[in-house]
Amino acid sequence: AQKITQTQPGMFVQEKEAVTLDCTYDTSDQSYGLFWYKQPSSGEMIFLIYQGSYDEQNATEGRYSLNFQKARKSANLVISASQLGDSAMYFCAMREGRKSSASKIIFGSGTRLSIRP
Amino acid sequence: GAVVSQHPSWVICKSGTSVKIECRSLDFQATTMFWYRQFPKQSLMLMATSNEGSKATYEQGVEKDKFLINHASLTLSTLTVTSAHPEDSSFYICSARGNPSRHTEAFFGQGTRLTVV
Repeated sequence: AQKITQTQPGMFVQEKEAVTLDCTYDTSDQSYGLFWYKQPSSGEMIFLIYQGSYDEQNATEGRYSLNFQKARKSANLVISASQLGDSAMYFCAMREGRKSSASKIIFGSGTRLSIRP
Repeated sequence: GAVVSQHPSWVICKSGTSVKIECRSLDFQATTMFWYRQFPKQSLMLMATSNEGSKATYEQGVEKDKFLINHASLTLSTLTVTSAHPEDSSFYICSARGNPSRHTEAFFGQGTRLTVV
């Protein structure tokens, strides 16, 4: 069985500060993928960043970086220089098994991030 | 990223009627589409996986006869909520994944907010 755990239901961060959103996962597969999505109040799911289990370097996308610690099975999202527009729900997700069009993605419970001006 | 379009974005229907939600991949061929359901302040729960030209695979606890999924082409999947009841009111969102090598993540539609009265 696979599981994604996000232990922070909500976080408040001052604008321009960096923030780390925690995510741990549990899988017996050797090959898997990890995702972070942002969901604003409109409901759309915005893909932020992806990390493959065999990727040697941590993924980065602009202000987003993924702190991948494979041995600890953690995939924390780091947002540098937070902005007011970063306020949203953030979901960590995992694709089970090898990358293929049929493999499923399962989601954690989410973290609501609020940025204070 | 690739574009997935979902329609309608919101719908209100009377109890006992059926509602169809469409999910289209606009610039890639989606061999697999996923349908999720999200209750307020909760995570996304996978309902079913559909592959083009074959029957959908439903997750445990999801009623096949109530949530009819059709994936007739590589760019269109539909979810029909049959004989809708107020407890079916929820946010439904689809994602699509294709084979192009540039797509390692699932792209989501905008979601459909269903209210059954």
